[in-house]
Amino acid sequence: NAGVMQNPRHLVRRRGQEARLRCSPMKGHSHVYWYRQLPEEGLKFMVYLQKENIIDESGMPKERFSAEFPKEGPSILRIQQVVRGDSAAYFCASSPLTGRDQPQHFGDGTRLSIL
Amino acid sequence: AQSVTQPDIHITVSEGASLELRCNYSYGATPYLFWYVQSPGQGLQLLLKYFSGDTLVQGIKGFEAEFKRSQSSFNLRKPSVHWSDAAEYFCAVGVSGGGADGLTFGKGTHLIIQP
Repeated sequence: NAGVMQNPRHLVRRRGQEARLRCSPMKGHSHVYWYRQLPEEGLKFMVYLQKENIIDESGMPKERFSAEFPKEGPSILRIQQVVRGDSAAYFCASSPLTGRDQPQHFGDGTRLSIL
Repeated sequence: AQSVTQPDIHITVSEGASLELRCNYSYGATPYLFWYVQSPGQGLQLLLKYFSGDTLVQGIKGFEAEFKRSQSSFNLRKPSVHWSDAAEYFCAVGVSGGGADGLTFGKGTHLIIQP
């Protein structure tokens, strides 16, 4: 009974490198959401995707960040040219195709550390 | 835009005592409300949700919450806490039921259980 799977659990990058975070939604779920959690803060919404479509990216920084959810494979959150301020926990959530009343189910997150 | 306030950053409760965690929201229409719990290094687990109907909702692990429209509140309660309840608790609001938009989270309340 696999839930939302995120990998890696921990990721260390040096400033200027790229970070790729992966998220496989729960079986039967086709809506994916990415959130960022800074230390001592709640989760901040970044982007909402369905298969091959970005539905809402109002929470995404305008530069260096991008997300995709291809027809096959996991959703990817990509951060280019990382900076110290990108250090955070990144959480993915998923919900089913049908039912606006379906709550989001969260993965265990990826802890990103920038050296 | 919607917002969520959790006034208490930390709460300490003795094991066996009752618990109430406060949550106030700001939203123009009837919100969809959620409580999630996060253990250290883990993702978020849904405790309960309110969409409509009975304003007192029951959740997992013996938790309940009451929606009070007049006070714009959705406080979480438990009659008798256990040491395993020590965790971070997040209140969240959604425009829909969660299955079509990003959630807005409060900053969380850190629950400490004293023996």
